[in-house]
Amino acid sequence: GAGVSQSPSNKVTEKGKDVELRCDPISGHTALYWYRQSLGQGLEFLIYFQGNSAPDKSGLPSDRFSAERTGGSVSTLTIQRTQQEDSAVYLCASSLGVRGGLYGYTFGSGTRLTVV
Amino acid sequence: DAKTTQPNSMESNEEEPVHLPCNHSTISGTDYIHWYRQLPSQGPEYVIHGLTSNVNNRMASLAIAEDRKSSTLILHRATLRDAAVYYCIPSDQTGANNLFFGTGTRLTVIP
Repeated sequence: GAGVSQSPSNKVTEKGKDVELRCDPISGHTALYWYRQSLGQGLEFLIYFQGNSAPDKSGLPSDRFSAERTGGSVSTLTIQRTQQEDSAVYLCASSLGVRGGLYGYTFGSGTRLTVV
Repeated sequence: DAKTTQPNSMESNEEEPVHLPCNHSTISGTDYIHWYRQLPSQGPEYVIHGLTSNVNNRMASLAIAEDRKSSTLILHRATLRDAAVYYCIPSDQTGANNLFFGTGTRLTVIP
């Protein structure tokens, strides 16, 4: 597609349920990033994938969060046993490659997650 | 990551130029300076980036100080669509795996 696609655009879930958020990056982009943004706050880095390398998981806030990227393309962010503090907009971005100083990021419109 | 300092907010009249400053005094010699903006209810979008020389594109101009410790994003004629949060992000071209988004500058454009 022309841009980064995220689904669903909105998700309301009950506390304690698991959720899966999907990101379709731009075709040919080897790097994929997940961020989250709580209401009125800046972006918080979660995880980063580059090609077949091991992902950089340094930003994941707890072991309830995990992500995978299949075939170097689509990525799924999974949150287990959701808590109210997980409510945020989850943003996915892709870029042509690593070396953030050279390649710009293209962001999706995000998934707004609300845990009730 | 280099620390950045940006004003929390700025205002501009429509159709006037806007100069958005950023201080990044701890920037390293290999860091590019990126600018992104985030319109309401959208993900951030790339605006411009540069290393040492001033840069121009269809969206904006980037003026980089000679010592590289500060930069200024210039919107030549602000429109209502330019109302957004603007992020200045130094990024190591050699090894950083992600861009660090601070709190940015919220630009309000007054009709």
